[in-house]
Amino acid sequence: AQSVTQLDSHVSVSEGTPVLLRCNYSSSYSPSLFWYVQHPNKGLQLLLKYTSAATLVKGINGFEAEFKKSETSFHLTKPSAHMSDAAEYFCVVTHNPFSGGYNKLIFGAGTRLAVHP
Amino acid sequence: ETGVTQSPTHLIKTRGQQVTLRCSSQSGHNTVSWYQQALGQGPQFIFQYYREEENGRGNFPPRFSGLQFPNYSSELNVNALELDDSALYLCASSLRSLDGRAEAFFGQGTRLTVV
Repeated sequence: AQSVTQLDSHVSVSEGTPVLLRCNYSSSYSPSLFWYVQHPNKGLQLLLKYTSAATLVKGINGFEAEFKKSETSFHLTKPSAHMSDAAEYFCVVTHNPFSGGYNKLIFGAGTRLAVHP
Repeated sequence: ETGVTQSPTHLIKTRGQQVTLRCSSQSGHNTVSWYQQALGQGPQFIFQYYREEENGRGNFPPRFSGLQFPNYSSELNVNALELDDSALYLCASSLRSLDGRAEAFFGQGTRLTVV
């Protein structure tokens, strides 16, 4: 079975400082992992994805994540936070890749990022 | 913009009523999934449709049902509404991939309030 644990429910940073949002996963298979962002009263936007290619994945808006199999982690980072980064972030793992195309996404509980001036 | 549109954006219903939510998939996508996001939680998978048939379901009762149409648009129907059904309902469209790794594109969601 697959599961995702986001280690921090809230993260607060100052504008211009680095961002680290932590995610650990559990999967019986070689996983695909995603980070989505949700701004207030908005849907979900894909930030980046890992699908068994390069372990360091670059996404939109300066975000990147590193897949570490030995640590079962997929932490999201950004070198310098911007006020517009304030949002809810979700780490996501896919369901069984041998299910014949059945593509269920399993979400973590989310991390709310606050950015202060 | 993901190209996935949902309607309505907000809805208020009374306990016991029935509701239909609609989703228009991104052009070219043949698979649609529905998720329920309760306040302060991550989205939970309800079900997925491919070629107008349900091909996967999460831990939701049968009063949650759906349809997918030939143009790949979709509906989510909920009967006998309960207060706990109050949530943001998200539609996601994707291309079917046999390895299950397809990227999903989400709509803006429908905020359902049951009173």
